[in-house]
Amino acid sequence: EAQVTQNPRYLITVTGKKLTVTCSQNMNHEYMSWYRQDPGLGLRQIYYSMNVEVTDKGDVPEGYKVSRKEKRNFPLILESPSPNQTSLYFCASRQDPYGYTFGSGTRLTVV
Amino acid sequence: QKEVEQNSGPLSVPEGAIASLNCTYSDRGSQSFFWYRQYSGKSPELIMSIYSNGDKEDGRFTAQLNKASQYVSLLIRDSQPSDSATYLCAVNRDNAGNMLTFGGGTRLMVKP
Repeated sequence: EAQVTQNPRYLITVTGKKLTVTCSQNMNHEYMSWYRQDPGLGLRQIYYSMNVEVTDKGDVPEGYKVSRKEKRNFPLILESPSPNQTSLYFCASRQDPYGYTFGSGTRLTVV
Repeated sequence: QKEVEQNSGPLSVPEGAIASLNCTYSDRGSQSFFWYRQYSGKSPELIMSIYSNGDKEDGRFTAQLNKASQYVSLLIRDSQPSDSATYLCAVNRDNAGNMLTFGGGTRLMVKP
């Protein structure tokens, strides 16, 4: 089944403790992206990647890192999470000319 | 001014009616436009894409694009209770289509 898989689905962590949210797609898509969704603010793009080793900032990149060492994987790294990064995170992938296919989401709580 | 604007709703329509959802955008250079449906607690699901002026139909869904007026709309014919969800309009900000900006979404309620 074609899909974007994120893990974990739920995560509660403490301020400052580094964490990684994994994302993998099995559709051989070139493009991948991370979004966060917050009430009243909607979906906002964090980072995106056009191909292996090619990444760029979205609208809200501060406090996040990404890497794209393989085509299928696009992990999101929070080096020192803070409570304002509590959010619902979505990984997505796409192939031209189509829109993004989203993963199931990761609900992160930073206390 | 927000880059992509939608009425948050809720938009309430009776079962079997046509639901009309609207979206305006600010960047005249945008080339790709998408409609997503998001059920509560779920991820956004792509339902329509449109790239040129005019109408595009897919089953009960019709997307309409007017670049001169900078608006995109989604019509849902024969609305069903299962169509009750939040509908998100997304517009690209780069030529490659990777930088998608989303509107805040319109909540649609279809009443039996």
